[in-house]
Amino acid sequence: RKEVEQDPGPFNVPEGATVAFNCTYSNSASQSFFWYRQDCRKEPKLLMSVYSSGNEDGRFTAQLNRASQYISLLIRDSKLSDSATYLCVVANTNAGKSTFGDGTTLTVKP
Amino acid sequence: DAGVIQSPRHEVTEMGQEVTLRCKPISGHNSLFWYRQTMMRGLELLIYFNNNVPIDDSGMPEDRFSAKMPNASFSTLKIQPSEPRDSAVYFCASSLGGDNEQFFGPGTRLTVL
Repeated sequence: RKEVEQDPGPFNVPEGATVAFNCTYSNSASQSFFWYRQDCRKEPKLLMSVYSSGNEDGRFTAQLNRASQYISLLIRDSKLSDSATYLCVVANTNAGKSTFGDGTTLTVKP
Repeated sequence: DAGVIQSPRHEVTEMGQEVTLRCKPISGHNSLFWYRQTMMRGLELLIYFNNNVPIDDSGMPEDRFSAKMPNASFSTLKIQPSEPRDSAVYFCASSLGGDNEQFFGPGTRLTVL
């Protein structure tokens, strides 16, 4: 079993749709969580950190459920520019490293 | 800051040749990571350094791969000899602490013929 698993995708949605991605992790000692975005042929970039209380940044909402060991990303009113691959990242302070999921590809169509 | 700098951006070489990829992390960052990305295997962590010391190299595929970090501002990833299956995009990333936000370089796109 992979340490970090994501919805396989791809997700193809129309503009304006709401889409949600889930990610599960196996190491209960994980302490920090992130969502990264990667555009085609570009490097991954931080989209947002995920806090225990949940957090929102405009149209994006991230949630963490420690008991069930999963995190989620919700995108409301999706735009064409949201088309990208979204990577779930789980970090362990003790190990001093982060583990990336394989990513979920989103395509927003007109 | 210019961000993480990688060179070369593109490399095309023939099987059996030595390839050296270079990375300059963001000044002040103490953790550096080398990743490989392919369509088949996604983003794989090869090795990471903390304060210039290799901490975990379990992701290095085989002895043909080696990485060094002689100082806080420079790291190399070497493949010798290279094989066609090494073709991938190689990313270098740095962070302040291994569990904080990682900043990625633009990557080196390696093609081994």
